[in-house]
Amino acid sequence: GIQVEQSPPDLILQEGANSTLRCNFSDSVNNLQWFHQNPWGQLINLFYIPSGTKQNGRLSATTVATERYSLLYISSSQTTDSGVYFCAASYDKVIFGPGTSLSVIP
Amino acid sequence: DTEVTQTPKHLVMGMTNKKSLKCEQHMGHRAMYWYKQKAKKPPELMFVYSYEKLSINESVPSRFSPECPNSSLLNLHLHALQPEDSALYLCASSQGGDWGTTEQFFGPGTRLTVL
Repeated sequence: GIQVEQSPPDLILQEGANSTLRCNFSDSVNNLQWFHQNPWGQLINLFYIPSGTKQNGRLSATTVATERYSLLYISSSQTTDSGVYFCAASYDKVIFGPGTSLSVIP
Repeated sequence: DTEVTQTPKHLVMGMTNKKSLKCEQHMGHRAMYWYKQKAKKPPELMFVYSYEKLSINESVPSRFSPECPNSSLLNLHLHALQPEDSALYLCASSQGGDWGTTEQFFGPGTRLTVL
């Protein structure tokens, strides 16, 4: 099955800083999603991005399917961005990466 | 509306109890999922229903019994659980019956504690 890796595992940012989170996957995928899990456990959809680039406010994502990676960019980070960011890839079933735990400090 | 609802939010049960988790979506999605998430770990797939039929059972112990009464509802019946089954149980749905290729939407989860 597909293997999904994420880096870095942990990240601490000063409020206002920018960051890039990376997701690598081991094989071809037909679905790639980014989620933010808040401290209460809710998984919030950020991007559905099997390929290409999308932007939503301060967040943007790029997936290069041929090179088997996806990037999530967070600009001008806020304390409410804290939480765990997961990418999830699938070909025949969905596999979550281990997550990046982000802490944004004032 | 991209809402998936789950009840209850919290559940505490003994090892001899029988309880059920409920999940509902009204987006017309044809695939529904149960995931289990332990602390500081990613969600792990348990079951997939596609067009109200069980498509995937990820070798889940029989003390977990899923049920899909109709296209909007998904239940997870719990019986004789062990303390190590304590976790956050997440329900999700996606539009296509070809469930690997479409966007998934998650409910808020049920936090289960087994004593």
